[in-house]
Amino acid sequence: AQTVTQSQPEMSVQEAETVTLSCTYDTSENNYYLFWYKQPPSRQMILVIRQEAYKQQNATENRFSVNFQKAAKSFSLKISDSQLGDTAMYFCALHQGGKLIFGQGTELSVKP
Amino acid sequence: GAGVSQSPRYKVTKRGQDVTLRCDPISSHATLYWYQQALGQGPEFLTYFNYEAQPDKSGLPSDRFSAERPEGSISTLTIQRTEQRDSAMYRCASSLDRVSDEQFFGPGTRLTVL
Repeated sequence: AQTVTQSQPEMSVQEAETVTLSCTYDTSENNYYLFWYKQPPSRQMILVIRQEAYKQQNATENRFSVNFQKAAKSFSLKISDSQLGDTAMYFCALHQGGKLIFGQGTELSVKP
Repeated sequence: GAGVSQSPRYKVTKRGQDVTLRCDPISSHATLYWYQQALGQGPEFLTYFNYEAQPDKSGLPSDRFSAERPEGSISTLTIQRTEQRDSAMYRCASSLDRVSDEQFFGPGTRLTVL
């Protein structure tokens, strides 16, 4: 069975600092995609970053980057220079067989 | 359309009533998904369509839940004889095709069953 686990229900960070959100997953497949989605208070689902499992290079999108460890099945999100607008729920998701499997989420608060 | 739209955005109903939620995907997208998101949880897969076909209904919680996409574009999700445990955010997403990994989400319909 495919599962996605986010072990940090809540995290906080000071504005301008760096924070890392953890995610582990389980799958028996070799080809898959991984995502981080952001859900602000508006509850919209916003794609933050994606990673193809066959790529060894870690994905980067501006202040957001991932640490993808395929053998360990780990996919953490690093947010650099945190901004107040980064306050949101963050979901890690595994894409396989056409559907997304989400983790439980991490509530991130950025404090001024 | 420019993005995925859903209606209504909010729905309050009484236990035992039927409700129908609507999703209008991005016009070029063949594949459409429905997810259920309970408060404080991540979305959970319900079902998906590839055009009109519905190859996977494995996530539907019970036979009270059904979905349609008769013309391969707009989809509806119907919950019959609603129960309080059905209260959740119902999210629709679409992608270019089933292989394409990126799913674009609509704003969701928040359903409250009293």
